[in-house]
Amino acid sequence: NAGVTQTPKFRILKIGQSMTLQCTQDMNHNYMYWYRQDPGMGLKLIYYSVGAGITDKGEVPNGYNVSRSTTEDFPLRLELAAPSQTSVYFCASSFSYEQYFGPGTRLTVT
Amino acid sequence: DAKTTQPNSMESNEEEPVHLPCNHSTISGTDYIHWYRQLPSQGPEYVIHGLTSNVNNRMASLAIAEDRKSSTLILHRATLRDAAVYYCILRPIIQGAQKLVFGQGTRLTINP
Repeated sequence: NAGVTQTPKFRILKIGQSMTLQCTQDMNHNYMYWYRQDPGMGLKLIYYSVGAGITDKGEVPNGYNVSRSTTEDFPLRLELAAPSQTSVYFCASSFSYEQYFGPGTRLTVT
Repeated sequence: DAKTTQPNSMESNEEEPVHLPCNHSTISGTDYIHWYRQLPSQGPEYVIHGLTSNVNNRMASLAIAEDRKSSTLILHRATLRDAAVYYCILRPIIQGAQKLVFGQGTRLTINP
């Protein structure tokens, strides 16, 4: 199993640009999550999904959108990127109590 | 959400035991205590969790106070690879999505 994979690993965006962060898991987990981590801080939940077709907001959803058309994929869309979205983004999935995290995407908005 | 309090940083020596404390005085009877750790430049990884009784697994032990207002993660014999940020997180006993709330954690440094 590859576990949770994320692409790209790094990205630099200009203010106002858009992009999609990809997340795929091959463990057939129902639950998937997107977190962001600012320097020196803990992770904050952006969006989560309990299954294909079902998503819900987390703690910091503004400026982001998600979709979940399949069990495996949970892309995160940034529209009109802002410097405040400079962060490391982690995707995770779970079946029950244990969340499995991907390696992260480091995003810089300048 | 019930909050946890952890020291910002701790230091220990290789091959010695490490006790990482966590206070959660407002824990409810339906909260599990979870520990995750984050190695440098990686995503967090699950370490252990418990409800009332002490728990052991291959990575660590979790000691839970009788009143559940505090807990301690124990690494029995630290290695350099255990240098990480350790997060103590409370999670309600509910079915469904487990929305973890991460604090700032404890940064553990291991000296060779």
